[in-house]
Order: sequence, then C-alpha cells, then structure tokens
Amino acid sequence: GQSLEQPSEVTAVEGAIVQINCTYQTSGFYGLSWYQQHDGGAPTFLSYNALDGLEETGRFSSFLSRSDSYGYLLLQELQMKDSASYFCAVRTLNYGGATNKLIFGTGTLLAVQP
Amino acid sequence: DGGITQSPKYLFRKEGQNVTLSCEQNLNHDAMYWYRQDPGQGLRLIYYSQIVNDFQKGDIAEGYSVSREKKESFPLTVTSAQKNPTAFYLCASSMRTGDTGELFFGEGSRLTVL
Repeated sequence: GQSLEQPSEVTAVEGAIVQINCTYQTSGFYGLSWYQQHDGGAPTFLSYNALDGLEETGRFSSFLSRSDSYGYLLLQELQMKDSASYFCAVRTLNYGGATNKLIFGTGTLLAVQP
Repeated sequence: DGGITQSPKYLFRKEGQNVTLSCEQNLNHDAMYWYRQDPGQGLRLIYYSQIVNDFQKGDIAEGYSVSREKKESFPLTVTSAQKNPTAFYLCASSMRTGDTGELFFGEGSRLTVL
C-alpha cells in the first residue's frame, strides 16, 4: 500500500521556527511536495524535493532523505497568517516517467499563537 | 487572470440525486484531477485525466463519473451510487510533466447531501 504520515497538529508562537515531518511508504516514488491550505480554501504549492537535501524558498524550507523515506517542512519567523493545514504529497513514477498524480498525507494543522 | 474555476461553491442535494460539479481551467494544462477532502483529512484522488478524451480512476472512483471532452473542462458527476457523498471537492490541473509536478487548485465545491 501507499501511506504518508504527518503529525495531526502542531502549535507554535509567532516568530518561532517549526518543523513538520512526513514519512512515506510508497511504490514509484519520484518526489515530495508540500502544500498549504487555509481553512476552507484551495491548497497552494509551497515546495518540492526530488533529490536529497534542503530546498529554501524564503521563510520556508523543505528537506528530503530518500534513503529514509522522510522529509520535513521548516517554517521560520512564524507569522499569524501561517496558521493553516500543511500537506506533504508524494509525486509518483510510472513506466512513462514522472507523473503529476499526487498522493497526499492527512495534513498537519499548524496553530500560530501570539 | 489564468486559473481554475469550480462551480457551484456550495451545493445541497437530496439523497439519491445525481450531482454534477463543474471545473474549468484556462491555464492550458493538459492534466486535470478531482480530489475529495473530508473534515480533518487529506486529499483523496477520485479521477484524473492526462489528456483530452482519456481519464483514469483514482483511489476512490466508485460512485463517481467524469468526462474530458475539452482540454479546459473536467466535470465530475457524483452519482446516487456514492454512499457518502457529503464532502469538499477540489479540482486541480497541471502540466503533464513539468519540473515540480505543481498542482493548481480551484476554490472547491462543498456538497451536502440531505
């Protein structure tokens, strides 16, 4: 089967750093994506890792270790507007190469407190 | 502006009725997807289409049907065979491959079956 595990909830204070972990068990792994979703809204793309290592995009960074089937999203200098759900998603591979068919985790609800 | 439009945003239906959710994109993307999201849950793939006149079942296709007659449009019908249709439905599109596999989501349609 295919599964992704994330913590269900994380709480942090404004200005702090928070790390959201994701472990996955999938066949045909190609890359790991992260999406943000505010309550009732559309998920938006944050970051993507196809290779091991750290990708930095402003206050957000994402890390991948393919050998450990593990990744994380790091949010720095937290702001109240970062309160949202964060989903990791595996990009799958088939005989034709990489697909954009994503398998999503169940999401981590981040609450940023003043 | 380019984007994905889903309609209606909210929909109420009686049990046993078929419902069709609209999804239109003007991003010139080849691939389109339908996901279902239940409260506190991740996104589960219902159907996806990589190209016009072709589509494949996702993980939870039972009780749903789709068509892809035009590149811009990918409507989803929730049939009376779907046992628990009340949910938040998200449509997405992407380039067929692309570097990051980024999905672009619509604002969603919230279906409540009474």
